Amino acid sequence: DVQLVQSGAEVKKPGESLKISCKGSGYNFTIYWIGWVRQMPGKGLEWMAIIYPGNSDTRYSPSFRGQVTISADKSLNTAYVQWSSLKASDTAMYYCTTGDGYAWGQGTRVTVSS
Amino acid sequence: DVVMTQSPLSLAVTLGQPASISCRSSRTLVFSDGNTHLNWFHQRPGQSPRRLMYKVSNRDSGVPDRFSASGSGTDFTLKISRVEAEDVGVYYCMQGAHWPATFGPGTKVEI
Repeated sequence: DVQLVQSGAEVKKPGESLKISCKGSGYNFTIYWIGWVRQMPGKGLEWMAIIYPGNSDTRYSPSFRGQVTISADKSLNTAYVQWSSLKASDTAMYYCTTGDGYAWGQGTRVTVSS
Repeated sequence: DVVMTQSPLSLAVTLGQPASISCRSSRTLVFSDGNTHLNWFHQRPGQSPRRLMYKVSNRDSGVPDRFSASGSGTDFTLKISRVEAEDVGVYYCMQGAHWPATFGPGTKVEI
């Protein structure tokens, strides 16, 4: 079975950095796009960025370019998204998903508050 | 970005009765591979989204056959033939033909 397992919930202060992870199993991680989707409290789903782990080709949604960095370590079957300086508006649930939306992680809740 | 719209945004349904959700895109969703990349997702409260349908009308494994979908070009529909209690939640359409992929605003289905 294809599985995506994300890192645990985070509570951070504005200005802090953060890197969350998503480990894939049950499929060839290298040859499928994997990406991150944001869901702000009570809101809908927004694609942030995707990466092809085989060659690290990346695509960013214009709304998120410069705000986050996506990466992947194919030796660990793990994708990441990171922030260098969090804002309160980054408070949300973050999901990793395969590029076609077939499989989803359980979500990582990020809370940014002073 | 391709704008996805859905109607209705909220739907009160009766158990055993049919339901239908419409999704419209601002551009045609035919990809360079010749396929139309329109997917449907269901999200129950407190859960991750789950893909129900891919490439317009293909049902994912384990999805009950009371779910069906159709459409072409810019107009798409998801239908539930007989609503069950487990069908409550929010339904999203998503286009994957043009990056960034975009979701519709969601349709909240309540019994």
